[in-house]
Amino acid sequence: AQSVTQLGSHVSVSEGALVLLRCNYSSSVPPYLFWYVQYPNQGLQLLLKYTSAATLVKGINGFEAEFKKSETSFHLTKPSAHMSDAAEYFCAVTGSSGYALNFGKGTSLLVTP
Amino acid sequence: SAVISQKPSRDICQRGTSLTIQCQVDSQVTMMFWYRQQPGQSLTLIATANQGSEATYESGFVIDKFPISRPNLTFSTLTVSNMSPEDSSIYLCSSKTGEEGSRADTQYFGPGTRLTVL
Repeated sequence: AQSVTQLGSHVSVSEGALVLLRCNYSSSVPPYLFWYVQYPNQGLQLLLKYTSAATLVKGINGFEAEFKKSETSFHLTKPSAHMSDAAEYFCAVTGSSGYALNFGKGTSLLVTP
Repeated sequence: SAVISQKPSRDICQRGTSLTIQCQVDSQVTMMFWYRQQPGQSLTLIATANQGSEATYESGFVIDKFPISRPNLTFSTLTVSNMSPEDSSIYLCSSKTGEEGSRADTQYFGPGTRLTVL
């Protein structure tokens, strides 16, 4: 089965600081990995995805993630946090049920002035 | 890409009643899914909505409680039956267009239906 684990249910950073949200995966096949963001009272928006092309993936809003097979990780980073980045972030992996996504528990990002 | 709308956006229902949630996609899609997001939790897959046939349910979810229809390639409904307070959640519709192959394909989400059961 394919699954992801997000380390840290809450992360707090100062505005302008580096954002690092951790995600580790477990997969019996080469994984396809995704990061989504959910703003309060909204649906999920795709930030970026890894589909076995480049290991460093750039997404929207200045976010990027690096696929590291040796570490089974797909951590999300942004060099400089903005107040508008405060949201819930979900890491996901393509599962086996119709290839629907299996989600991690999510990380709530708080950005302080 | 796919733009997904859901109706209603929110509802407050009484215990023992049923609610049907509608999901409309702006283009034909290969796969449609229904997820539940309980308060403060992640998303859990309820079922895959299959066009013209019975939905495929995940462990812990049954057709009698969550009947699903998918009459065509752009529309699906999820009914939450005989509701109890434990059913209070956000229900999200999702779809894949099939443009990039099954596993790599981006999954798009609707805005969700926020259900409160009293």
